[in-house]
Amino acid sequence: DAKTTQPTSMDCAEGRAANLPCNHSTISGNEYVYWYRQIHSQGPQYIIHGLKNNETNEMASLIITEDRKSSTLILPHATLRDTAVYYCIVRVRDDKIIFGKGTRLHILP
Amino acid sequence: DGGITQSPKYLFRKEGQNVTLSCEQNLNHDAMYWYRQDPGQGLRLIYYSQIVNDFQKGDIAEGYSVSREKKESFPLTVTSAQKNPTAFYLCASSIYGTSSDTQYFGPGTRLTVL
Repeated sequence: DAKTTQPTSMDCAEGRAANLPCNHSTISGNEYVYWYRQIHSQGPQYIIHGLKNNETNEMASLIITEDRKSSTLILPHATLRDTAVYYCIVRVRDDKIIFGKGTRLHILP
Repeated sequence: DGGITQSPKYLFRKEGQNVTLSCEQNLNHDAMYWYRQDPGQGLRLIYYSQIVNDFQKGDIAEGYSVSREKKESFPLTVTSAQKNPTAFYLCASSIYGTSSDTQYFGPGTRLTVL
């Protein structure tokens, strides 16, 4: 049922940029791309979202391709505390978020 | 200190008993949501409410009930009709409940049925 495809897991060295890809080839023109992360046994934490343009905030940058069929979340300087499951989500409609299984990001010391 | 609180963090119940999970928010958000998460899986929507005294079923509402008597509160009751209630339950809220709104999540309640 998920409308996004993400790698199951990724590794990144501490201090390096972590680039997490997401494919959403069936996205519609008015659907937002959201990114959340979840640390074990905690509630998901909002990271960033976008529609067409690239976005940046204090946590991350979101790069959306021109055709909107894929996006990349960038954590510029990964730390051990960034180890989590990262979910790329397309908002289907007003009332729900469809979560897939996400990408398990391991930050290596 | 604004946010969403859920209580208790851990909950144990005997099979056949109803149990109510609390969710409170002081963000002045109109919309509130309940999700269920099973090990290694994403979240699935149980119920949502976009305004006081109104709520809608999500994908897996069977065996659950909710109420929305106050804007800041959205309790979830897991009834004995829910066949596999052991899970991690997450409450969320957003300003208006539209697709451009961000949903903010509480810390979750882990329910175990013995």
